[in-house]
Amino acid sequence: ETGVTQSPTHLIKTRGQQVTLRCSSQSGHNTVSWYQQALGQGPQFIFQYYREEENGRGNFPPRFSGLQFPNYSSELNVNALELDDSALYLCASSFTSADTQYFGPGTRLTVL
Amino acid sequence: QQQVKQSPQSLIVQKGGIPIINCAYENTAFDYFPWYQQFPGKGPALLIAIRPDVSEKKEGRFTISFNKSAKQFSLHIMDSQPGDSATYFCAASRSGTASKLTFGTGTRLQVTL
Repeated sequence: ETGVTQSPTHLIKTRGQQVTLRCSSQSGHNTVSWYQQALGQGPQFIFQYYREEENGRGNFPPRFSGLQFPNYSSELNVNALELDDSALYLCASSFTSADTQYFGPGTRLTVL
Repeated sequence: QQQVKQSPQSLIVQKGGIPIINCAYENTAFDYFPWYQQFPGKGPALLIAIRPDVSEKKEGRFTISFNKSAKQFSLHIMDSQPGDSATYFCAASRSGTASKLTFGTGTRLQVTL
């Protein structure tokens, strides 16, 4: 059984650009959640996808968007990047939204 | 608004000591309280979790104590080892939404020889 994987590991972008981060969920998991973890802080919930539909969203602006695919992998898209978007972006998967979730290693995004 | 407050920010204990990390929550709808361990460059990993119907839960060297009336819960690490040096996060969520977690700010634990 493979765990949650994320790509890329690191990414550097400039302000105003757009970025796409990818996540492959753990085998058998149909729910994917995305979190933003700023340096020295706890993860902040961005949104969750369950069976390809958005199933809850945290306090993030609309320029943060996502997708979930039929194989339950997921993308996080961020438009019009700002310096404060620099963070570790974590993906977590679970069997359902009510179950324990398992985190991937994250993608470190740096916005210059 | 920070709904889960965690303390201390950092903690240094000697090997064999019992570090204690505390969390307090505000939202009375929360009823699932996990603790995660995170090593540098890694994602958080679930250590142990508790629901409010019990006041204590033990798994190996890790124990959660829960005080529903005070809206507080804490993590104790028995016989701490240098390999336990990591950042620990408490979290909380509502029933049926265990994967929409609200995290504390983290505690950096260092266990010295």
